Amino acid sequence: DTEVTQTPKHLVMGMTNKKSLKCEQHMGHRAMYWYKQKAKKPPELMFVYSYEKLSINESVPSRFSPECPNSSLLNLHLHALQPEDSALYLCASSRGVEQYFGPGTRLTVT
Amino acid sequence: RKEVEQDPGPFNVPEGATVAFNCTYSNSASQSFFWYRQDCRKEPKLLMSVYSSGNEDGRFTAQLNRASQYISLLIRDSKLSDSATYLCAVNVDSSYKLIFGSGTRLLVRP
Repeated sequence: DTEVTQTPKHLVMGMTNKKSLKCEQHMGHRAMYWYKQKAKKPPELMFVYSYEKLSINESVPSRFSPECPNSSLLNLHLHALQPEDSALYLCASSRGVEQYFGPGTRLTVT
Repeated sequence: RKEVEQDPGPFNVPEGATVAFNCTYSNSASQSFFWYRQDCRKEPKLLMSVYSSGNEDGRFTAQLNRASQYISLLIRDSKLSDSATYLCAVNVDSSYKLIFGSGTRLLVRP
């Protein structure tokens, strides 16, 4: 089973709102990732957690705040986003280097 | 020069055709290579890992050419359901970071 789940599927938020994206996997994978994907572009890595510790932050603005409460869960807290942050936000997990993606959250910032 | 490059296509082929995509990478230290398939408005799904000796999975064959720094994906007997964007991904230095190409769009027509 290579299932990664994400909630919500769709999210519309204003620039002053605070919201959170959630990701869950029960495959025992020790690395979890957040990616951002704009239309007709490849996924861009945002953050990597390895063994529940932040190991990579790709210079992401502080309005995006990741959190890894335990080895199965990954959150992305959103605050004061801009319209250009509208995108598909993908979570992934891996045991080794093969990464498996969740279905994503389609975010619209108004 | 981009780290990972793909011909964006689209490749428009009839059912039953054989089609091949290439993906070039610039970092000779790259260690792991993957092909993902992404349908419109869906998440990338891992199609194949690419091994040094090449590997085959049904109608799909992946090969690695380290000397020329490219990987390839061959699809035989194309089906309508193969229509999608094919993303190559490269992992450098066994880190958790995957670098994606911009994707090649395939359209299989009846």
